Amino acid sequence: AQKITQTQPGMFVQEKEAVTLDCTYDTSDPSYGLFWYKQPSSGEMIFLIYQGSYDQQNATEGRYSLNFQKARKSANLVISASQLGDSAMYFCAMREGAGSSYKLIFGSGTRLLVRP
Amino acid sequence: GAGVSQSPSNKVTEKGKDVELRCDPISGHTALYWYRQRLGQGLEFLIYFQGNSAPDKSGLPSDRFSAERTGESVSTLTIQRTQQEDSAVYLCASSLSVSSTDTQYFGPGTRLTVL
Repeated sequence: AQKITQTQPGMFVQEKEAVTLDCTYDTSDPSYGLFWYKQPSSGEMIFLIYQGSYDQQNATEGRYSLNFQKARKSANLVISASQLGDSAMYFCAMREGAGSSYKLIFGSGTRLLVRP
Repeated sequence: GAGVSQSPSNKVTEKGKDVELRCDPISGHTALYWYRQRLGQGLEFLIYFQGNSAPDKSGLPSDRFSAERTGESVSTLTIQRTQQEDSAVYLCASSLSVSSTDTQYFGPGTRLTVL
């Protein structure tokens, strides 16, 4: 079974509107971290936001927020006030707890296109 | 400060040749990871180094792949007898230490094309 699932291969959003990118995960480890990365056409992976499994509040970083629903095992990324520069691939990733070398397990990504 | 750097940025090679990819992590970062990204896909973990501990090689796809790291500095990923299916972007990442909260910062990647 896939550990990270991103069901939206592609998304469109109008400039200045908000958009939600979906991510569900599967783990039996009580300690884990969830990450979102942005990959523009240049290819580099840019860290956006992190949510720990024990965090009580949803993470926020500027225009990015993470809608963390632990019981449903979802960690959706919300981008507010979309900008043209937000057009990119977005990857959700999970890092499990001790004993797993802390490698990141990535989803297949969502391509976001912001329309002017 | 400087981020993760990788060289070369692009590498074109013929099937059967060996290639060597280099990664310079962020100074002071003890953990270093190699990932592979095939066209249109997410990243696959290859190998992990943490200080002087034995590396986690569980993601290496075959014995043609190997990697080394000296202390907490440069790492080299070597692919022997390259095959066309090895064509991908190879990304290196480093993190300050090893915990589930530590963010991995990625380099720009090396795009490998095997003809």
